[in-house]
Amino acid sequence: DTGVSQNPRHKITKRGQNVTFRCDPISEHNRLYWYRQTLGQGPEFLTYFQNEAQLEKSRLLSDRFSAERPKGSFSTLEIQRTEQGDSAMYLCASRGTVQETQYFGPGTRLLVL
Amino acid sequence: GDSVTQMEGPVTLSEEAFLTINCTYTATGYPSLFWYVQYPGEGLQLLLKATKADDKGSNKGFEATYRKETTSFHLEKGSVQVSDSAVYFCALSERSSASKIIFGSGTRLSIRP
Repeated sequence: DTGVSQNPRHKITKRGQNVTFRCDPISEHNRLYWYRQTLGQGPEFLTYFQNEAQLEKSRLLSDRFSAERPKGSFSTLEIQRTEQGDSAMYLCASRGTVQETQYFGPGTRLLVL
Repeated sequence: GDSVTQMEGPVTLSEEAFLTINCTYTATGYPSLFWYVQYPGEGLQLLLKATKADDKGSNKGFEATYRKETTSFHLEKGSVQVSDSAVYFCALSERSSASKIIFGSGTRLSIRP
C-alpha cells in the first residue's frame, strides 16, 4: 500500500529563487489538496483539485504560487520569487469520491534564507 | 467563516492520567468533525471522526462526541501512555464539493513516565 508521497522532503533556498514541490496521491484518489503549516499552527488550506481541474483556491495563494495537476494524477506546487514568509511545511492530501477522509503526505519543509 | 478553537498547550500529564482536550467550532452548515494526530517526525494521521450530531468517534482508546448544541468535539482518553505524546489537531470539513479541512492550532501533549 503506497500512501501519499511528497518530494522533496526538505528544501532550502535563497530569497528570490523559484521552488517546485511534487505530490503523488493515493492512486485511486481523484481529489487532491494542498495545505500550508507554519510552526505552532494547524495546516491552512491552499488549493483543491478534482481530477485535473483546480476548483478552489484560498486567498493565501498569492500570484507567486501556482499549482497544477496535468493528468489528474500527481500535482506540483510552484512558488516563484520566494520570500522568507514562505518558510513552512507544505502538505498534500488526497481522498476518493465517496469516502471523505483525507490522507496526508509527510510534507515538504521549505526554508527560505 | 468556519473556524475551530482548541485548548492551548502544551499539556503535560503523567502516564495513566485522564486526558481531555477541548475543542469548539463555528460553522455555517453541518460539518463533519475530526481529530488528527501528528507524532514526532511523522505526518498527520486521522485519529477519529464523527459525521453527525451525537455520533461518537473512537480509536486507540480516544473518544470524542459530536455535540451540536454546544458546538463541541472534546477529545478524551481514560488512561494515557507515553506513546500518546504528540500534537493533536481538531478539525472540521463542510459538506461541499471541496470539503477542505479547517484545522485548529493544535495542542501539544507530553506524557511523563
